[in-house]
Amino acid sequence: QKEVEQNSGPLSVPEGAIASLNCTYSDRGSQSFFWYRQYSGKSPELIMSIYSNGDKEDGRFTAQLNKASQYVSLLIRDSQPSDSATYLCAVKGPGGSYIPTFGRGTSLIVHP
Amino acid sequence: GAGVSQSPSNKVTEKGKDVELRCDPISGHTALYWYRQSLGQGLEFLIYFQGNSAPDKSGLPSDRFSAERTGGSVSTLTIQRTQQEDSAVYLCASRGGGAVQETQYFGPGTRLLVL
Repeated sequence: QKEVEQNSGPLSVPEGAIASLNCTYSDRGSQSFFWYRQYSGKSPELIMSIYSNGDKEDGRFTAQLNKASQYVSLLIRDSQPSDSATYLCAVKGPGGSYIPTFGRGTSLIVHP
Repeated sequence: GAGVSQSPSNKVTEKGKDVELRCDPISGHTALYWYRQSLGQGLEFLIYFQGNSAPDKSGLPSDRFSAERTGGSVSTLTIQRTQQEDSAVYLCASRGGGAVQETQYFGPGTRLLVL
């Protein structure tokens, strides 16, 4: 059973702070990792994907992957109230069938 | 440049009735997924279509659920004899083909309420 674990939160941070969201996964052979943002009542949208160990930066977002420890994290710098949403971690294992496993998501609240 | 569309956006039905949910993927996308999301829960995988291959139905919760994809494009998810526990948001996603095209694009979802 492939599992992807996230702290459900809510994680509350002040505006301008760094928000750190974490995700652990059980399948050691996992190859692809994704972070989706889901606003309340809306559908998920991809914000970051990462495939190799280390950091990947895109604007205010940085994804960090550590395959040895089986965790992936998302850092949001200079958090804004508009970043308030649920962040879903998704993990895809190796092989030809592309069905990622989603975590339950972490709720982030950025307060002014 | 239309995205994934789903219809209806909302559906209220009575217990025991059948419902059909429709998904129009992004043109040219070969992969199509159905997920279910209950209030405050993560995404529950239901079924996956890839090109002309047999669909992966491993996530369907019971034989009341079925889905088809006609002509490699539009997909319909059918729930027979609906139960109250079927109430959820049903999300469809599509993805371009090839190993490097791994981004899933989600539709707006169909909110199903079974009374």
